Amino acid sequence: EVQLVQSGAEVKKPGDSLRISCKDSGSRFTSYWFGWVRQMPGKGLEWMGLIYPGDSDTRYSPSFQGQVTISADTSISTAYLEWSSLKASDSGMYYCARQPGGYPFDIWGQGTMVTVSS
Amino acid sequence: EIVLTQSPGTLSLSPGERATLSCRASQSVSNNYLAWYQQKPGQSPRLLISGASTRATGIPDRFSGSGSGTDFTLTISRLEPEDFAMYYCQQYGNSPWTFGQGTKVEIK
Repeated sequence: EVQLVQSGAEVKKPGDSLRISCKDSGSRFTSYWFGWVRQMPGKGLEWMGLIYPGDSDTRYSPSFQGQVTISADTSISTAYLEWSSLKASDSGMYYCARQPGGYPFDIWGQGTMVTVSS
Repeated sequence: EIVLTQSPGTLSLSPGERATLSCRASQSVSNNYLAWYQQKPGQSPRLLISGASTRATGIPDRFSGSGSGTDFTLTISRLEPEDFAMYYCQQYGNSPWTFGQGTKVEIK
């Protein structure tokens, strides 16, 4: 069974750095796009960006460009979402999801809750 | 960037009734690459429909999608208790991909 397993909840302070992960089990990791979606408390889904681990092609939403970095390590079939300096407004649930070419997100991770508070 | 507007914001219906959800795009969605997702409280979203009208694996046939260009519809023919949830549309034809703001289907 294909699964995306995300890293656990994080509590950080403003200005901290953070990297959360999404491990793919069961897929051909380099043959799919992997994306990240934010959901702030009580709000809707926001598409942040995605990466194609096969060639590291990465796309960002203009809203998140320069605010986060998406990367992948093909040796361990894991995608990452990274912040260099967190803000309180980065608090929320972050989902990773798999996207076959020409198809929407078909497999989702369980989500990682990020809380940024002083 | 394509803006997706979903309506209504909330739909109050009874089990057994028909639900009709709308998703309107600010410009034409390439290849009709429009998806619908269901999300229940505390859960990750689940793909229901891809390509505007193709049900994902394991999705009951009471869910159907239609539309093209800028106007799309998700129909739930007869609501089951487990269908009361949030529904989001997403376009994945034009980068950046975008989501609608969601429609809540609640029990009347």
